[in-house]
Amino acid sequence: DTEVTQTPKHLVMGMTNKKSLKCEQHMGHRAMYWYKQKAKKPPELMFVYSYEKLSINESVPSRFSPECPNSSLLNLHLHALQPEDSALYLCASRASGRLNEQFFGPGTRLTVL
Amino acid sequence: DAKTTQPPSMDCAEGRAANLPCNHSTISGNEYVYWYRQIHSQGPQYIIHGLKNNETNEMASLIITEDRKSSTLILPHATLRDTAVYYCIPRTGTASKLTFGTGTRLQVTL
Repeated sequence: DTEVTQTPKHLVMGMTNKKSLKCEQHMGHRAMYWYKQKAKKPPELMFVYSYEKLSINESVPSRFSPECPNSSLLNLHLHALQPEDSALYLCASRASGRLNEQFFGPGTRLTVL
Repeated sequence: DAKTTQPPSMDCAEGRAANLPCNHSTISGNEYVYWYRQIHSQGPQYIIHGLKNNETNEMASLIITEDRKSSTLILPHATLRDTAVYYCIPRTGTASKLTFGTGTRLQVTL
């Protein structure tokens, strides 16, 4: 199994809703990432988890709350989002080792109304 | 992280070689050059990486100039499925993150 899966594919939520994005990989990768991609822009890093611990937070607002409950699973909890948070949210994973590449999932397209 | 400059868009006829340039004149000695691509509505996909020697794999070839200030990704026989945004990303071996630039939008046409 060499893929990263993300659910749901699409999500529409109101500004008062609470929702979660899920990412899963079964490649034994111990680094996992969340990126945000606005339309016609490159992906921007949000969070990095290494061995289930948060290692990088790129000054992301607290309305985005990541969680890594185990080595295969990464969640992004969403609360009180703004319309400008509408974007494609990408998850990636990477095996330990200096030069290993990141494997990306297909993303969750989020619309905040 | 080194800054990169890539042409915003390029066209290529199907079956011909696509040569995608990247300028990374501020690259440091311990930074590798990674290439990823993103097909529309999909996540980015790793293509190839190199330090100073030219590299080739089943997807592409990477040519890095001797001074390492620029590189070229070569898709030897482009197909319509190669239509994507191509990102050149300098990265050290120990860096855990990728910093994407604006990339080159490659359009392969019949």
